[in-house]
Amino acid sequence: DQQVKQNSPSLSVQEGRISILNCDYTNSMFDYFLWYKKYPAEGPTFLISISSIKDKNEDGRFTVFLNKSAKHLSLHIVPSQPGDSAVYFCAASPQGGSEKLVFGKGTKLTVNP
Amino acid sequence: NAGVMQNPRHLVRRRGQEARLRCSPMKGHSHVYWYRQLPEEGLKFMVYLQKENIIDESGMPKERFSAEFPKEGPSILRIQQVVRGDSAAYFCASSPTSYNEQFFGPGTRLTVL
Repeated sequence: DQQVKQNSPSLSVQEGRISILNCDYTNSMFDYFLWYKKYPAEGPTFLISISSIKDKNEDGRFTVFLNKSAKHLSLHIVPSQPGDSAVYFCAASPQGGSEKLVFGKGTKLTVNP
Repeated sequence: NAGVMQNPRHLVRRRGQEARLRCSPMKGHSHVYWYRQLPEEGLKFMVYLQKENIIDESGMPKERFSAEFPKEGPSILRIQQVVRGDSAAYFCASSPTSYNEQFFGPGTRLTVL
């Protein structure tokens, strides 16, 4: 039973355009959400997070949007750069903090020069 | 400030042997988490520890797996009598509190022959 779903295994975009990565969740107890980026043979790197009390959080080229009624969040990267090519994981926490993260399966983003 | 360190990076064991994976959290971090990633899957939570205490081990298999985080030294994930299905990447993460994002190490890739 997958509580965090990333339905697109892969996404390809042109350099300079917007990348939109999507994530759906089923557990209404989740109240803290994070995005991680992962390169091959490395550990995940934290990108950005959002609490359920907000609907948007922005950090430079990265913006995360949360739609609680739809149980959906998305990560926008603009403008996309070739160095953004990686696997992106959506994660959610069932408690007030970031304990016991539940991860999606990831979306492989390829940014073409 | 060094990041989360894990060793070894690669570990090969034969069926029935023991595997010991080590994790040194970031300086100042007293919360440690272990996750396992099977091929083509997301990371799955295994155990959450603070110094000398196991806080949540709900993701740990009931047999053969154990974890500790002693007062001095790294956190250890121990797998006894390994089987082929234990082959995976094992990631350790740390955080200063349970209300912060988790920072991941590079992982240990366990191969069971």
